[in-house]
Amino acid sequence: QQPVQSPQAVILREGEDAVINCSSSKALYSVHWYRQKHGEAPVFLMILLKGGEQKGHEKISASFNEKKQQSSLYLTASQLSYSGTYFCGTEIVSGAGSYQLTFGKGTKLSVIP
Amino acid sequence: ETGVTQTPRHLVMGMTNKKSLKCEQHLGHNAMYWYKQSAKKPLELMFVYSLEERVENNSVPSRFSPECPNSSHLFLHLHTLQPEDSALYLCASRWGRRAGELFFGEGSRLTVL
Repeated sequence: QQPVQSPQAVILREGEDAVINCSSSKALYSVHWYRQKHGEAPVFLMILLKGGEQKGHEKISASFNEKKQQSSLYLTASQLSYSGTYFCGTEIVSGAGSYQLTFGKGTKLSVIP
Repeated sequence: ETGVTQTPRHLVMGMTNKKSLKCEQHLGHNAMYWYKQSAKKPLELMFVYSLEERVENNSVPSRFSPECPNSSHLFLHLHTLQPEDSALYLCASRWGRRAGELFFGEGSRLTVL
């Protein structure tokens, strides 16, 4: 049930752009994006909900294709601080009726000067 | 500082020991989660508590026993663990059972000898 992320890793030079993709085989209620730096807790970036609502940081953009159950995170004009592992989390309604949030394996992003 | 505090940050235990991990949130959230993060694996959802009631148990071995005495505290009791249980255990909380952003603690790094 875990979502599939691609690419697994990417190296960027400062100022370059990147796209991280996330896909699921299940009908999704929402998609979450988090970033984790080494030795730190994952930090929330964005939520995309069915119906088009989005909540997140101003400098982060993402899309959610409900028909394809796919989401993409867009990182533009990358900065050194963008380095870290990006996790996509997909939220479905489980068989027990609860909302279950599961994460992909992550995409390791390295921004170099 | 995310408002979610986990203790201890590091724990080394033998296979016959009994120990507990503690999580405390100061955000007024009503849902709390335990995730396991192993090297090169995705964040694995272990348990979900909503309004102090366990609503999800993702096929976790019985050697892990969660406890949620109130909406601010979550414990993970550990006994007779295996070396493969060595991992980073992350606690998270959010408001509501769906679509809200998760706030993660910094994790408890567990090593089982």
